[in-house]
Amino acid sequence: DAKTTQPPSMDCAEGRAANLPCNHSTISGNEYVYWYRQIHSQGPQYIIHGLKNNETNEMASLIITEDRKSSTLILPHATLRDTAVYYCIVRVAYEYTNAGKSTFGDGTTLTVKP
Amino acid sequence: GAVVSQHPSWVICKSGTSVKIECRSLDFQATTMFWYRQFPKQSLMLMATSNEGSKATYEQGVEKDKFLINHASLTLSTLTVTSAHPEDSSFYICSASLPRRYEQYFGPGTRLTVT
Repeated sequence: DAKTTQPPSMDCAEGRAANLPCNHSTISGNEYVYWYRQIHSQGPQYIIHGLKNNETNEMASLIITEDRKSSTLILPHATLRDTAVYYCIVRVAYEYTNAGKSTFGDGTTLTVKP
Repeated sequence: GAVVSQHPSWVICKSGTSVKIECRSLDFQATTMFWYRQFPKQSLMLMATSNEGSKATYEQGVEKDKFLINHASLTLSTLTVTSAHPEDSSFYICSASLPRRYEQYFGPGTRLTVT
């Protein structure tokens, strides 16, 4: 799986958009970008994933650059409950023998402030 | 949908005893589940892949005789920490994927403290 690079920490004002970057310059053509977050002392939560097109769901938007070497997770209106560690993971598409296997890096600690 | 539960949420045991942690997929069947370990202020580290009806696959450096994994049904995987020692104290998390889906769904985690 391709290696990812994320800033260790970021702050965001409550109600503002949080933009979390991720670099994955060695990504392969069959690798997806996934985002998860982990609120303190809880299991990680799936947020969104994409291959090359921008994606949006009820939680966030994912913007992937045209060359796919970086992406940005956007939380449009951050709340205090969005304070968490956000992980960007790149991995190949579904493989039966490795279904769901993910390698977690250090992630970005997002702190949403009042 | 796609809810994964773990039991217990926390456990304290004495050194030398064994502890069993359960991971259940509540509303879907999971042929494969994953076990992670997380030490304080560190990221998740994959320990093993649990396959229903077959032996688990362990990551390099994880002792298979110490961390026994059983995946006896499509909704239940168990992790048994045998002869636990204080250094095994950690946050243990399981995950599963829906069939033909790419994303993982994680349990809430089990905090193990060995005294």
